[in-house]
Amino acid sequence: NAGVTQTPKFQVLKTGQSMTLQCAQDMNHEYMSWYRQDPGMGLRLIHYSVGAGITDQGEVPNGYNVSRSTTEDFPLRLLSAAPSQTSVYFCASSPDRGGSYEQYFGPGTRLTVT
Amino acid sequence: LAKTTQPISMDSYEGQEVNITCSHNNIATNDYITWYQQFPSQGPRFIIQGYKTKVTNEVASLFIPADRKSSTLSLPRVSLSDTAVYYCLSQAAGNKLTFGGGTRVLVKP
Repeated sequence: NAGVTQTPKFQVLKTGQSMTLQCAQDMNHEYMSWYRQDPGMGLRLIHYSVGAGITDQGEVPNGYNVSRSTTEDFPLRLLSAAPSQTSVYFCASSPDRGGSYEQYFGPGTRLTVT
Repeated sequence: LAKTTQPISMDSYEGQEVNITCSHNNIATNDYITWYQQFPSQGPRFIIQGYKTKVTNEVASLFIPADRKSSTLSLPRVSLSDTAVYYCLSQAAGNKLTFGGGTRVLVKP
């Protein structure tokens, strides 16, 4: 199993540009999530999904959209990039065992917005 | 909204036991308590999870009192490679898996 994969590893955007961060998992996990981590800080939940076709907002959803058309993929779209979105983005997946979640994280995407 | 509180940092020496306590006063009945480890430039890695009493695996132990309002991660005989940030995780409303600020553990020789 490849686990959780994220592309790209690095990205530089100009203010106002849009892009999609890709996330895929091959473990048939129901639960997937996106976090951002600013330098020296903890992880903040952006969006999450409990299954295909179901998404919901986390702590910091503004400026981001997600969709979950398949179990495997959970892309994160930045609508109009801003310097405040410069961060490392982590995708994670987990089986849902009735309240027990063991999240597997991807390697992250380092995004810089100039 | 569930929220966790942890110490910001802890220093230790090789071979010592490190105990990190997390407060989660509003934990819901069905929620599990999960701990993750994160090294620089990497995603967090699952360490241990528990619901009540004590759980032990090859890496750590997790102690949860009966009221479940706190938990303590115990790392036995730490080495330099255990220097990392440790996060306690609880669930917020619904399925929101929210991380606390994390505890930076520095293991000194």
